Amino acid sequence: AQKITQTQPGMFVQEKEAVTLDCTYDTSDPSYGLFWYKQPSSGEMIFLIYQGSYDQQNATEGRYSLNFQKARKSANLVISASQLGDSAMYFCAMREGEVSGTYKYIFGTGTRLKVLA
Amino acid sequence: DTAVSQTPKYLVTQMGNDKSIKCEQNLGHDTMYWYKQDSKKFLKIMFSYNNKELIINETVPNRFSPKSPDKAHLNLHINSLELGDSAVYFCASSQRPYRTEAFFGQGTRLTVV
Repeated sequence: AQKITQTQPGMFVQEKEAVTLDCTYDTSDPSYGLFWYKQPSSGEMIFLIYQGSYDQQNATEGRYSLNFQKARKSANLVISASQLGDSAMYFCAMREGEVSGTYKYIFGTGTRLKVLA
Repeated sequence: DTAVSQTPKYLVTQMGNDKSIKCEQNLGHDTMYWYKQDSKKFLKIMFSYNNKELIINETVPNRFSPKSPDKAHLNLHINSLELGDSAVYFCASSQRPYRTEAFFGQGTRLTVV
């Protein structure tokens, strides 16, 4: 079974609009971390935002916010005021294994976002 | 200063050859990883080392052998390369306690012809 599910293979958004990229996860670990990374066409992996499983408030980093709904096991990324430079592949990831000590980051299949001028 | 650096960035080689990819991190992190990104962009963990000790080996063919001479370095050696090994290989590192993200190298694009 997929541990991280990103159901949107591709998304379009108009410049300056907000967009939500969906992510659901599955884990039985009591403590875990959720992350979003951006991969532009140049190929590097850029960290965007982090949410800990015990964090009460949703994480925000500039134009990025993470809509964390623990009961639903979802961790959606919201990008406000989209820019052309936001066009990229976006990966949701979960770090689990804190109890077992294995500590691995598991990635979803990604969502390709295209920002339209 | 580059936090996680991999060499080479591109590697083109023939089937059957043996090749190595080197990775170094200057962040003082305890844990290092190798990930494989296939042509569909799927990122899959291969190995994880913590303080030079192998922690995760995700059913990777034994043609792939990681080596960690110290906690700042994690190299990947691949024997008898096959066409299906063509991919982008990412090295990453992170620090315990794990409230931080994994830092990735720029990737090594391996093409087996």
